[in-house]
Amino acid sequence: AQTVTQSQPEMSVQEAETVTLSCTYDTSESNYYLFWYKQPPSRQMILVIRQEAYKQQNATENRFSVNFQKAAKSFSLKISDSQLGDTAMYFCAHYSGGGADGLTFGKGTHLIIQP
Amino acid sequence: DGGITQSPKYLFRKEGQNVTLSCEQNLNHDAMYWYRQDPGQGLRLIYYSQIVNDFQKGDIAEGYSVSREKKESFPLTVTSAQKNPTAFYLCASSKEGFGQPQHFGDGTRLSIL
Repeated sequence: AQTVTQSQPEMSVQEAETVTLSCTYDTSESNYYLFWYKQPPSRQMILVIRQEAYKQQNATENRFSVNFQKAAKSFSLKISDSQLGDTAMYFCAHYSGGGADGLTFGKGTHLIIQP
Repeated sequence: DGGITQSPKYLFRKEGQNVTLSCEQNLNHDAMYWYRQDPGQGLRLIYYSQIVNDFQKGDIAEGYSVSREKKESFPLTVTSAQKNPTAFYLCASSKEGFGQPQHFGDGTRLSIL
C-alpha cells in the first residue's frame, strides 16, 4: 500500500519569501504520479502541480515548482515570492492506479503567509 | 462553465437515518470519486467509478453505498451502518487515463443531530 507523509503540520513565512513544503512517499510501483493540491479556507481542492515519476525534469507552474527525488522518494513543493492568497492547507498526493484507483493523500501542511 | 456540483453544502443526519449526497459533473469525465476528510487528516477514498454501472470500493467503503447510472452523476449514500459519519465529503472526477488530475467539487459537510 502507498503511504504519503508530510512532516510539517504548520509553517509560517512572511509575504514575498520563498517556502518549501516537504513530502515523502512509499510505493512499490515503478510508474506513478505525484500531485500537490491546495485547500484554501473555502475548502475547495485546487490542483497546484503534477509530476510523472518517469520524467526527470521537475515540474513548474509559475511561482510553484517541485524538487522530485525519485530514489529518495521525496517530492517537495517550493513556493517563490509567496503571496497572502497562498495561505491554505497543502496536500501531497500519490497515484499509481492498479487495484486502488484513487489518490493517496498526506495529512497536509497548513501554510500561513504573514503580511 | 464546466465543473462539479455537490449538494447540499450542509447536511444533518438523525440516528438510524440514511442520507444521500449528490455529485454531478458536466466535464464529460469518465471517472468519478468520493473522498472523506476528517479534521487534521488528508482525504481518504470511499468509492470510485471508472465507467457507468461499475464502481469499486476504496479504503473506507464500510457504511457507504454508491450508484453510477449516468456518466454525469455519482451519488453517495451514507447508511446507518456508518457509525461516525460526521466529516467533510468531497467528490472528484477525472478524464480516462493513467495519472489524469482529479478535479474536485466544493464539498458537503455532514453532521449528526
